[in-house]
Amino acid sequence: AQTVTQSQPEMSVQEAETVTLSCTYDTSENNYYLFWYKQPPSRQMILVIRQEAYKQQNATENRFSVNFQKAAKSFSLKISDSQLGDTAMYFCAFEGWTSYDKVIFGPGTSLSVIP
Amino acid sequence: DAGVIQSPRHEVTEMGQEVTLRCKPISGHDYLFWYRQTMMRGLELLIYFNNNVPIDDSGMPEDRFSAKMPNASFSTLKIQPSEPRDSAVYFCASSTLHHSYEQYFGPGTRLTVT
Repeated sequence: AQTVTQSQPEMSVQEAETVTLSCTYDTSENNYYLFWYKQPPSRQMILVIRQEAYKQQNATENRFSVNFQKAAKSFSLKISDSQLGDTAMYFCAFEGWTSYDKVIFGPGTSLSVIP
Repeated sequence: DAGVIQSPRHEVTEMGQEVTLRCKPISGHDYLFWYRQTMMRGLELLIYFNNNVPIDDSGMPEDRFSAKMPNASFSTLKIQPSEPRDSAVYFCASSTLHHSYEQYFGPGTRLTVT
């Protein structure tokens, strides 16, 4: 069974600085997708970034980028130039090609951006 | 599009009562997911539908929970009878096609069972 681990329950970063959130996963599948979702205090879950495992190039979305290490089964999220609006829970998620559309979420990392 | 709509946003009920949570997915999306979020267990997938048909309900905690999707624009999650340990935020999400497509989440329903 697939599992997703986020080893940092809480993190903080100064505004305008860079922060990296860690995520590891366990799977026997070769093809899969990885996601980072953001949940601000409003509770709304929002997709931040997505990575296809068959792509070697790391995904980027403006200030958000990932470091995808397939062999190590690691998928970290880097937030550059942190902003107060980045304060939220961040969930790493996994979807295997054979998992019939089930997305497995990690336990989340609570990020606080300090002014 | 208004996004995924859930109602009610907040529900407070007494133990033993029936609770019905409602979800309207984004028009055109053919996948619908129900999740439960608690501090202890995080975000758990309860059940999901494809084209109104339940595909996987292995996450449904017990027989007190049931979900239906009578048509493409409406789904319900029912708890009968409710218990205090059911207190959580329940999310509905929808997506189109499959594999790697973004799930669009509703605002959630915060359920409190006293």
